[in-house]
Amino acid sequence: QVQLQQWGAALLKPSETLSLTCAVSGGSFSGYYWNWIRQSPGKGLEWIGEINYIARTNYNPSLKSRVTLSVDTSNNQFSLRLTSVTAADTAVYFCARGHITIFGSDGSGSSRWFDPWGQGTLVTVSS
Amino acid sequence: QSVLTQPPSVSAAPGQKVTISCSGSRSNIGSNYVSWYQQVPGTAPKVLIYEDNKRPSGIPDRFSDSKSGTSATLDITGLQTGDEADYYCGTWDSSLNTVIFGGGTKLTVL
Repeated sequence: QVQLQQWGAALLKPSETLSLTCAVSGGSFSGYYWNWIRQSPGKGLEWIGEINYIARTNYNPSLKSRVTLSVDTSNNQFSLRLTSVTAADTAVYFCARGHITIFGSDGSGSSRWFDPWGQGTLVTVSS
Repeated sequence: QSVLTQPPSVSAAPGQKVTISCSGSRSNIGSNYVSWYQQVPGTAPKVLIYEDNKRPSGIPDRFSDSKSGTSATLDITGLQTGDEADYYCGTWDSSLNTVIFGGGTKLTVL
């Protein structure tokens, strides 16, 4: 059974860089996209981006200028860097395995869903 | 303000049925599959439904979904107290080029 274990700094000051890593165990690392999703306190879910084993990435346009995803295939890990954090970046950050299927002869439709998820890391940005 | 609109809360008695709606547009629900997640506060979301009413192993058939045009619906029958949680819909938006989620619906089993 695939398990995701994540870690990283929990308390940051404004303008610092958020850094989180997620380790994948118990299953294939290739063949999937690996995702970061965050949830601000009391709020809904926000997708940050995804990366596959050959480091192909897709980012949420609203965060793209500050986000970098990377992958370490030798250790089945992937990482998130978010620069210039502010209080608005305070959230629980989850890593998750993404399942993607593209439909239609022109690839115009898709199915994207996430399972399993990591345990979540609360990152607080405060001066 | 989420791109996908869900009611903030729903409630029903044990054993009853509840419906949670997720309203979007042609560029998201109208052209891509919806997935549904259950989140008990303090834990990670868990997928319930994906890709046209498919359920992962271990998810009971009390959970089902349907789609009509630019809206999707999650139905939960035979409500149990353990179903109390927040529920989220999610999909890809082909215009925004991003995954989007609804704002979440809190289910209370009275």
